[in-house]
Amino acid sequence: NFMLTQPHSVSESPGKTITLSCTRSSGNIANNYVQWYQQRPGSSPTTVIYEDNERPAGVPDRFSGSIDSSSNSASLTISGLRTEDEADYYCQSYDTANHAVFGGGTKLTVL
Amino acid sequence: EVRLVESGGGLVQPGGSLRLSCAASEFTFSSYAMGWVRQAPGRGLEWVSCISAGGTSTYYADSVKGRFIISRDNSKNTLFLQMNSLRAEDTALYYCAKGIRRYAQTPLDYWGQGTLVTVSS
Repeated sequence: NFMLTQPHSVSESPGKTITLSCTRSSGNIANNYVQWYQQRPGSSPTTVIYEDNERPAGVPDRFSGSIDSSSNSASLTISGLRTEDEADYYCQSYDTANHAVFGGGTKLTVL
Repeated sequence: EVRLVESGGGLVQPGGSLRLSCAASEFTFSSYAMGWVRQAPGRGLEWVSCISAGGTSTYYADSVKGRFIISRDNSKNTLFLQMNSLRAEDTALYYCAKGIRRYAQTPLDYWGQGTLVTVSS
């Protein structure tokens, strides 16, 4: 099995662009799709990116996803940061046994 | 708008059982895989289980395999999670979530509000 490692916390100012990382410990990041979920304080998670770089309907194009095989990591980039983007962000992928694996989450502070 | 409403959580003693339900509406339930994800207090998300649209394929996290059973009733648009031999470490908010496709391991696109399970004596 593998782990997905995310930085515990990051912060940035409104209007700026930030990139959150998610590094896979073993196996190729490109072998299995990566999803990103946003969880605002006190709320249920919502999906902001699925299958590496697809946005669900209603998610603004300020959110984008990518993968980088050279660093074996996935990234979520949020441009034009807003205070409403302040949340925990979780990456997720699958292992060879079709088990979903979540990263530990990154707390994004917009200040 | 897709609606997922979980129920069945509560306080249970270690070794006890609970059955969670998730009532789905505003989408064709029988066409999509479904899953359960839990979150212990102050912790991150942990995948628990998922089931294909027709109910024929199921998968479990190692931490619950052999103790939890996922099932669905497509005639009643309802997802279930039978939880047996509960342990203190199963204490969490349990979310029901809808998949974007039919097969079991598919990205999740809608989540319920969760139902709290507390395992304590």
